[in-house]
Amino acid sequence: EDQVTQSPEALRLQEGESSSLNCSYTVSGLRGLFWYRQDPGKGPEFLFTLYSAGEEKEKERLKATLTKKESFLHITAPKPEDSATYLCAVQAPYGGATNKLIFGTGTLLAVQP
Amino acid sequence: DVKVTQSSRYLVKRTGEKVFLECVQDMDHENMFWYRQDPGLGLRLIYFSYDVKMKEKGDIPEGYSVSREKKERFSLILESASTNQTSMYLCASSFWARPSYEQYFGPGTRLTVT
Repeated sequence: EDQVTQSPEALRLQEGESSSLNCSYTVSGLRGLFWYRQDPGKGPEFLFTLYSAGEEKEKERLKATLTKKESFLHITAPKPEDSATYLCAVQAPYGGATNKLIFGTGTLLAVQP
Repeated sequence: DVKVTQSSRYLVKRTGEKVFLECVQDMDHENMFWYRQDPGLGLRLIYFSYDVKMKEKGDIPEGYSVSREKKERFSLILESASTNQTSMYLCASSFWARPSYEQYFGPGTRLTVT
C-alpha cells in the first residue's frame, strides 16, 4: 500500500538552530514528491516539487532533498516566522488523467525567539 | 500567482441540511480536488475532477457529491449534513500534465455541523 510517513510529529527549535524534517515514502512508482507549508486555519502553501533521487531545491532558509526512499526538508537558521506545519505528499502512478496525491500527517514546527 | 478561492471561510449548519461548498480557480487547471482535513488524520481526498462534468471518487466519498459544470468551478455538496462531517474542507487545483503536477490549495472552509 502506498503511504507517506513524516517525522518527527512535532519539533521545537530555538531561533538559529538548524534541523531537518523527514518524509519517508512507500510507493510503487514515484512520479513526484511535494512539500507544503500550512499555517493554522489556512490552506497548504506549495513549496517544492522533487521528481528524481538526488534532486535538490532551495528557497530562502529551506532546502529539500530526495532519495529513493525519503525526502528531507532542511531548515537553516530558522526564524519564528518559519513556524508552521510542513506537509509532504507523493504522487503515485494511478494512471488516467489525474494526479492524486498521498499526504503525510505533517510535522508541526515551532521556532522560539 | 495561482488563485484558488472558496466561497466561505466559516460555515455553521444544522444536522440534515443540504450544504454547498464552492471553489473557483483562475489558472485554467484541468484537475480540481476536494479534501477534508482532521487532526491526526491528515488530508483525505473526497472527490476529484479531471474535466468538466467528469468526476471520480476519492478515498472517502460517502455522504458527499460534487458538480463541475465549468472548468474553473468545482462544488462539493453534503446532501444531508451530519455531525461527523464537521471538518476543515480544502479545495485544490492542478494541471493534468507536466511540468507541474503540484496542487494549489484554497484557504479552506471550516464547517461545523450542530
